[in-house]
Amino acid sequence: QQPVQSPQAVILREGEDAVINCSSSKALYSVHWYRQKHGEAPVFLMILLKGGEQKGHEKISASFNEKKQQSSLYLTASQLSYSGTYFCGTHTTNDYKLSFGAGTTVTVRA
Amino acid sequence: SAVISQKPSRDICQRGTSLTIQCQVDSQVTMMFWYRQQPGQSLTLIATANQGSEATYESGFVIDKFPISRPNLTFSTLTVSNMSPEDSSIYLCSVGAATDTQYFGPGTRLTVL
Repeated sequence: QQPVQSPQAVILREGEDAVINCSSSKALYSVHWYRQKHGEAPVFLMILLKGGEQKGHEKISASFNEKKQQSSLYLTASQLSYSGTYFCGTHTTNDYKLSFGAGTTVTVRA
Repeated sequence: SAVISQKPSRDICQRGTSLTIQCQVDSQVTMMFWYRQQPGQSLTLIATANQGSEATYESGFVIDKFPISRPNLTFSTLTVSNMSPEDSSIYLCSVGAATDTQYFGPGTRLTVL
């Protein structure tokens, strides 16, 4: 089942912060975050695993609340290069497949 | 990290024809995935390609329309058969596991006229 992302879109000025949320109705094993720029393939940002392990981008942080089946991606001191569409992908505990949210479009302006 | 290439990168096809998309990985992988991304939409899993067995298709996708081959651990093909304009999308292959990073190929942009 597709996770729910919010907000759908956000507009920032350089240096501002933003939070993107991803929630699931099912128990999650892992949450993956990707950024896709127009005309390009999705690029891996971070994976958060049940139990607290995280792997990913040094300058982007995220959290994973296993009990609430939610994850949040934090864009801090945003840069122009942060613009793009952010997707969360979730693995449930009983499934090996990734289900992707609808995406959050981030626009960072100078 | 895995390096994935896809061919062709884009194509414009006529209605009723078929197109085969190739996906090559620079290392051996157990699972390969095929996704479709319709314009302005999210990523939808078409099927999982397993080496040595039939592909596993998701609800709404059938083998007759999207036959998949997986002849070895570094290569897979997806065929889009009897195409219609509704098949115009980006088709992406990816590799990875639930406990690790899933990497995407650059995608194949398909336009059906």
